[in-house]
This record gives sequence, structure tokens and C-alpha cells, in this order.
Amino acid sequence: DAKTTQPNSMESNEEEPVHLPCNHSTISGTDYIHWYRQLPSQGPEYVIHGLTSNVNNRMASLAIAEDRKSSTLILHRATLRDAAVYYCILRDVGETSGSRLTFGEGTQLTVNP
Amino acid sequence: GAVVSQHPSRVICKSGTSVKIECRSLDFQATTMFWYRQFPKKSLMLMATSNEGSKATYEQGVEKDKFLINHASLTLSTLTVTSAHPEDSSFYICSAPDNYGYTFGSGTRLTVV
Repeated sequence: DAKTTQPNSMESNEEEPVHLPCNHSTISGTDYIHWYRQLPSQGPEYVIHGLTSNVNNRMASLAIAEDRKSSTLILHRATLRDAAVYYCILRDVGETSGSRLTFGEGTQLTVNP
Repeated sequence: GAVVSQHPSRVICKSGTSVKIECRSLDFQATTMFWYRQFPKKSLMLMATSNEGSKATYEQGVEKDKFLINHASLTLSTLTVTSAHPEDSSFYICSAPDNYGYTFGSGTRLTVV
């Protein structure tokens, strides 16, 4: 799996936007960029994924650099419930559904009231 | 969306006993299940991959005789920690591929006393 680099921790204030960066300079042309988050004492949950174009869903937006060597997860208005560890993971689009996800250390997001 | 139900959420057992953790895919068929272990303040580490109808594949350093995995049907996979010791105390999480990527169970907090 191609390696991703994320800051260990970030802080935000409630109701403000949060931009979580991820560097993946060795990304291949067939790698999807996935984001998962893990709330305390829970299993990870899917947030968003994309290949080349920016993506939006009800949880977040994903901005992908033109050269695809970095991406940013955007939470438009952080809430206390968004405090979690956010993982940026690459997965080859050619892999079968039986291929595994490899987790890095992720970014611990703290949201201040 | 896809749901993986994991039970129990929390278990305390005595040293030397065995503990079984179940993961069920509720609204989809999971031909593959991934089992992760997570120590406090650490990321998820893959232990093994189970496939319905065949033997599980274990990651290097994971004892297959200690962590018994059974994938009896397309909706059920189990992990049994045999002869548990305090060092096996950890957060165990299962995961199955779905349409977007992967769905995770809510995790099992195992404490061996």
C-alpha cells in the first residue's frame, strides 16, 4: 500500500471549518483516496473517498490536488461529535474487494467548545 | 448502509479462559472479514483475514492457534482468543468490504485479568 502522511493532531473550534491534510506523494494512478474516522471506543467509519475530482457528501468534502500527491478532508462546521482520529488511506482501484486496508497513525482532531 | 454487528462490545475474562467474538453482516454478504487489534493510543493492526469456506490468513507474528478464526457463513465470522493472557487485553475490530469500501464493527474491548 502506498504511504500517506498526516499530522499527528489538530485542533478546531466548534462550528468552524476544519481542513485535515494528507500527503501521498507516491500515489499511483489507480489509487483511490479513502478517509475513515474513529470515534473513541468505536470502530472506524467511512467518511468519503475519491479518485481525481473533488467530492462532497453529507459528512464532508474531499479536495484532491491536481497532481494527486495530496488531499484535504474538509469538515465545513465542526461539532464536538467530530472529535475523532481521521485516517487517510490509499486503495488501488484494481484491487479486489478482498484486499485489506492498511491504517497509518491518523490525525487526532480535537474540537473545542 | 451496510452494517456489521459485533458482539460482545466489552468482555472481562480470567487468564487461561477463551473468549469468542462474533461479527455478523446484517444486510449484505461478507465473503471476507478482516480482524484488527488496537492497543491504546495506537492505530489498527491487521491480525488476520477470514474467507467464507476456507482457512483464514494470518499476518506475520500472529499465532493462528491462539486466535482461532471461523467464517462459517456469508454473514458470520468469529474470532476466539484461546487461553487468554493479560497481554491479549486489547480492542478487537472486524471489518468487511462493502460497496464504498469497508464497514467496521463497533469493536470489542477485551480485558484479561
